[in-house]
This record gives sequence, structure tokens and C-alpha cells, in this order.
Amino acid sequence: ETAVFQTPNYHVTQVGNEVSFNCKQTLGHDTMYWYKQDSKKLLKIMFSYNNKQLIVNETVPRRFSPQSSDKAHLNLRIKSVEPEDSAVYLCATLKDTQYFGPGTRLLVL
Amino acid sequence: GQQVQQSPASLVLQEGENAELQCNFSTSLNSMQWFYQRPGGSLVSLFYNPSGTKHSGRLTSTTVIKERRSSLHISSSQTTDSGTYLCALGMSNYNVLYFGSGTKLTVEP
Repeated sequence: ETAVFQTPNYHVTQVGNEVSFNCKQTLGHDTMYWYKQDSKKLLKIMFSYNNKQLIVNETVPRRFSPQSSDKAHLNLRIKSVEPEDSAVYLCATLKDTQYFGPGTRLLVL
Repeated sequence: GQQVQQSPASLVLQEGENAELQCNFSTSLNSMQWFYQRPGGSLVSLFYNPSGTKHSGRLTSTTVIKERRSSLHISSSQTTDSGTYLCALGMSNYNVLYFGSGTKLTVEP
């Protein structure tokens, strides 16, 4: 049963454009995450929010900014995308285990 | 250096053979999780196993904290087991996950 929803599934854009990805969880958890999976399939944490507060911010370029309106939503905005931003962006939420959304695949041309 | 190392990087089996996937970590942990990812698919949590042994069908996970390792055993492999298996270390109070680079498993009929 899907409980972490991400939109869009796939997005193609040009270098320098701005993109926004949405994530919503229906599990009532307090903590949400954004991970990036690159072309080599390596998954890395980007951000973590707990009850709308930023608690983890790994070394991520400033053009990436997470946004949380409430604890069920955690969006990700990328200003002025670059080719190396092409990846799959995975949203997750936590209880004992982490539940992942299906991902948003970004292709920067 | 990388905190989580997985081996082997890839594995090819004939249907019915068993597989042993290894995960070694270089730091203390709050939790250990194993995930399965189909090509182009989302992550599915297989085990939340910070210590000891857990079973689920043909899968067994064993985590030995003192030896800083965790393993995933797949018995009587099936073609539908093909995909990438990822282990992840949970650290910090908010259980941020740090992933290994994965084992790509191919089970041939």
C-alpha cells in the first residue's frame, strides 16, 4: 500500500531552469527525508525534516532548498539546475523503518 | 571514507541457488536496514534489523554489531529476486540512512 506519494514521476528540463518536486506522506510520521540516487545508483541523504523543522542538511549545493508546509509535506526546489542534478530524487518518511516514495527522475539537458 | 561497504557488487545465480550478501560498516549505528530495488523501481524495505537474526520467507538477515557487519541470505533464489539489494546504516537521533553501493543480483532461469 503506497503511503508516500511523489510528483512528478519524471521531469525533463534545460540547464538553468527551476524545478520543484512534491512529496506527501499519509502515515502521520514526524520525520521526512530527501535522498538523491545518482547514475551509479548510489543513494545519499540530502535533507531531513522533523515536524516542519530542518534537522539534517548534508553538503548540498545552495540551489537546492527543501520546503515544508506541514509534517505531511516536504517539497524540494532546485533553482538553476545543472547537468549533475540529473538523478532520481527519493522522498522518505520514518517510523521504525523508513518508507520510500517511488521517486522523481530528473533529466537535465 | 565510505562508512558502509557492500559485497559483492554484482552476483549472477542460477535459479534455485542460494545467495549471501554482505554489508560492513565502520561506525556505530542506531539501526540497520536492508532494501530491495527493482530496475527503475522504488525501494522496498526487507528488514529492519539493528542486531540479531530475522527471517522472512526465503530471506534471512543477520547483524553482528561487534563485528560491524550485516548479511542477507537468499535461499532457493528465483528469477523474480533479480534486482539491487541495498543495506543502510541508520545514524543520529533521526535515523538518517547511509547507504551502501548495493549488490546487483541476477537470477537466471
